[in-house]
Amino acid sequence: GESVGLHLPTLSVQEGDNSIINCAYSNSASDYFIWYKQESGKGPQFIIDIRSNMDKRQGQRVTVLLNKTVKHLSLQIAATQPGDSAVYFCAEFGGSGYSTLTFGKGTMLLVSP
Amino acid sequence: KAGVTQTPRYLIKTRGQQVTLSCSPISGHRSVSWYQQTPGQGLQFLFEYFSETQRNKGNFPGRFSGRQFSNSRSEMNVSTLELGDSALYLCASSLASGGRVETQYFGPGTRLLVL
Repeated sequence: GESVGLHLPTLSVQEGDNSIINCAYSNSASDYFIWYKQESGKGPQFIIDIRSNMDKRQGQRVTVLLNKTVKHLSLQIAATQPGDSAVYFCAEFGGSGYSTLTFGKGTMLLVSP
Repeated sequence: KAGVTQTPRYLIKTRGQQVTLSCSPISGHRSVSWYQQTPGQGLQFLFEYFSETQRNKGNFPGRFSGRQFSNSRSEMNVSTLELGDSALYLCASSLASGGRVETQYFGPGTRLLVL
């Protein structure tokens, strides 16, 4: 079946470094992608989204890149802070219609001071 | 605006019992989706409601059901609980107007433990 997957289960960085979290998707019909951050004991928190008619979108300290040719999505976090430590999920809409999100397995980001 | 709220936050049940979870979406949001999160399976889609109608359903047994009320609040029910139903159940709401997919905003979840 089609799915969204993450390359790295755990990413450890030093405070101040830039972090890159990757995600591969297999559904070529997906047209909307979201990155979520989930801290322990909390629900997923929206970070940034991108539609398939874009290649790049920037937010505050975060950038999402979309490469439709290789079906790859990445989240870049600039000047990573200890408060960025969490599990990050990419999620896609597409294929089945309406509001059905398919989530990747998640990447744990650990930021050391 | 208040965020998505879910009640209760924690539940302990025994096998064979049933449980009802509640979700209040962000004001103005008409779409409510439910997800199950477990360490082994990650986040999996259960179902989505819009204007009191179920529009999509994930691959879960019929023991999992839901409904949406006219004020967009939603409930999900799990009957004949099994140990494997222990999970974090997440509710998400979105505008979902005009057929265009919109961002989903999640609540804090209900942690269900089945003994």
